[in-house]
Amino acid sequence: DAKTTQPTSMDCAEGRAANLPCNHSTISGNEYVYWYRQIHSQGPQYIIHGLKNNETNEMASLIITEDRKSSTLILPHATLRDTAVYYCIVRGGYNQGGKLIFGQGTELSVKP
Amino acid sequence: DAGITQSPRHKVTETGTPVTLRCHQTENHRYMYWYRQDPGHGLRLIHYSYGVKDTDKGEVSDGYSVSRSKTEDFLLTLESATSSQTSVYFCAISGQGETQYFGPGTRLLVL
Repeated sequence: DAKTTQPTSMDCAEGRAANLPCNHSTISGNEYVYWYRQIHSQGPQYIIHGLKNNETNEMASLIITEDRKSSTLILPHATLRDTAVYYCIVRGGYNQGGKLIFGQGTELSVKP
Repeated sequence: DAGITQSPRHKVTETGTPVTLRCHQTENHRYMYWYRQDPGHGLRLIHYSYGVKDTDKGEVSDGYSVSRSKTEDFLLTLESATSSQTSVYFCAISGQGETQYFGPGTRLLVL
């Protein structure tokens, strides 16, 4: 399974864009990049995922480099409620049950 | 939010006692998963199911068993709870090739 590397922590000012990087240099051609976040001790919340192209939804944008070895999650206008641990995950194939392998994630602190 | 509930939400038990956690879904999804989360380890997969009566082990399956007798329920059993199984347990569901959605979690304390 492809591993991901994320910074341990980041700060962001409220109202500014939060850009969370992730490295996944061993990703395979058919593996997707998923982003989840976990607020306090709640269950992980799905944010967005992508394969090759950039993706955007109501929560965030995902930018994947052309070689697919890294990606960036963008929260365009961070609020205090976006303070959470953000996980970048490369999803295993369905011969592995499509399991998600969580790393340590990035702890994002949004400050007033 | 995906229709996933977990019960109980909190449980305190003693070492050596059996414990069963229940995950219930209303989405009719094929896949169901049990993860545990501990400080410094993130979430780790215990077992998963890819259909009724079809289950497989994850990376930390020792000391746990699972059962899935119907689509909507996935049970996680600790036959004889140990203090090392004190954790927060999360259930997740997904369709084939689709995004996993997580439940609210169960906090288990084994004394």
